[in-house]
Amino acid sequence: AQSVTQPDIHITVSEGASLELRCNYSYGATPYLFWYVQSPGQGLQLLLKYFSGDTLVQGIKGFEAEFKRSQSSFNLRKPSVHWSDAAEYFCAVGARGNNDMRFGAGTRLTVKP
Amino acid sequence: KAGVTQTPRYLIKTRGQQVTLSCSPISGHRSVSWYQQTPGQGLQFLFEYFSETQRNKGNFPGRFSGRQFSNSRSEMNVSTLELGDSALYLCASSLVGMGPTDTQYFGPGTRLTVL
Repeated sequence: AQSVTQPDIHITVSEGASLELRCNYSYGATPYLFWYVQSPGQGLQLLLKYFSGDTLVQGIKGFEAEFKRSQSSFNLRKPSVHWSDAAEYFCAVGARGNNDMRFGAGTRLTVKP
Repeated sequence: KAGVTQTPRYLIKTRGQQVTLSCSPISGHRSVSWYQQTPGQGLQFLFEYFSETQRNKGNFPGRFSGRQFSNSRSEMNVSTLELGDSALYLCASSLVGMGPTDTQYFGPGTRLTVL
């Protein structure tokens, strides 16, 4: 079965600084990988997804993620963080043929002014 | 296009009661999935419905059940509530729900508190 690990529970960055959130997955076949963001009291919003092809994926809000099969990683990056990016970020892996996605525990991002 | 809506947004129940949560998917979406989110267990898949049939189920006890109507709206029911059922219940809809290539859109969730 697929699984996801997000090693960082909480990250604090200064506004304008770069950001990288880590995600490691475990899945026997080609993974379908996702990053979602959740603001307080809200549902999850899809930032980006990877199915195949180019290993660098562009998403919304200036985010990108890079799939590295050799490292079983799918890290999320943003070159310059804005205060509005403060939220919880979830990495998820999906299996072909069903909606049973496995989510990581999440990384809470705090942005310092 | 309106997003996924969930009602009610907040619920307070006592142990032993039962509860029904509702989810209206995005227009045209036929698959509805339910997730439970708790601080301890994180986000966990409950089940998925498509064309009024449960197509996929996570590892939850039988107290958790659901159904889907012909208009794709879905309800989730939890019977004999336990304190541990306190959670944010998220609903997600997608066109046909055949896996990750069909993007899931999440609603804002229903916050259930069991006292």
